[in-house]
Amino acid sequence: GQSLEQPSEVTAVEGAIVQINCTYQTSGFYGLSWYQQHDGGAPTFLSYNGLDGLEETGRFSSFLSRSDSYGYLLLQELQMKDSASYFCALNGMDSNYQLIWGAGTKLIIKP
Amino acid sequence: DGGITQSPKYLFRKEGQNVTLSCEQNLNHDAMYWYRQDPGQGLRLIYYSQIVNDFQKGDIAEGYSVSREKKESFPLTVTSAQKNPTAFYLCATGLSGRASEQYFGPGTRLTVT
Repeated sequence: GQSLEQPSEVTAVEGAIVQINCTYQTSGFYGLSWYQQHDGGAPTFLSYNGLDGLEETGRFSSFLSRSDSYGYLLLQELQMKDSASYFCALNGMDSNYQLIWGAGTKLIIKP
Repeated sequence: DGGITQSPKYLFRKEGQNVTLSCEQNLNHDAMYWYRQDPGQGLRLIYYSQIVNDFQKGDIAEGYSVSREKKESFPLTVTSAQKNPTAFYLCATGLSGRASEQYFGPGTRLTVT
């Protein structure tokens, strides 16, 4: 089967940098996606890593290492509006048309 | 104005009643998905459709049914057979064969008492 693990909660300070980790188990996959969800809202797509390495989109970056079965989302210059839950999701080869989702990491930002 | 609409935002039903949640999109996406989210948890796939008149069961399809008669519409019926239907229901769309990037509607919060 396929599974993903993320920390349930991470706390950081406004203006700082935070890293949200995601480890996974899979027999094969196309890539790892990241989504943001504010309380009461819908998830929004942040980034996708199909290859190993770093993908940068403004203040957010995402990293994938297939050899370590590991990825992370890096948020820089944290703002209060970044307080949300962040989900990693796997696009597996045996289920190409669907994503397998992690349970999410709640990011708490303190002033 | 392109997007995905789900209505209503909040829905209340009595136990034993079927209820249909709507999902409409004008993004011209082939793929559509229905997810269920329980408090503090991730998303679980109920059904998905890659093309009109075809759909597949996800991980938790029991007690739910769908139809895909038009590209723009993918309604979800929560039947009385669903044992614990109270949840946040999210509809998503995407390009066919590109499940990695999905776009979500605002969701419907269903409460069954």
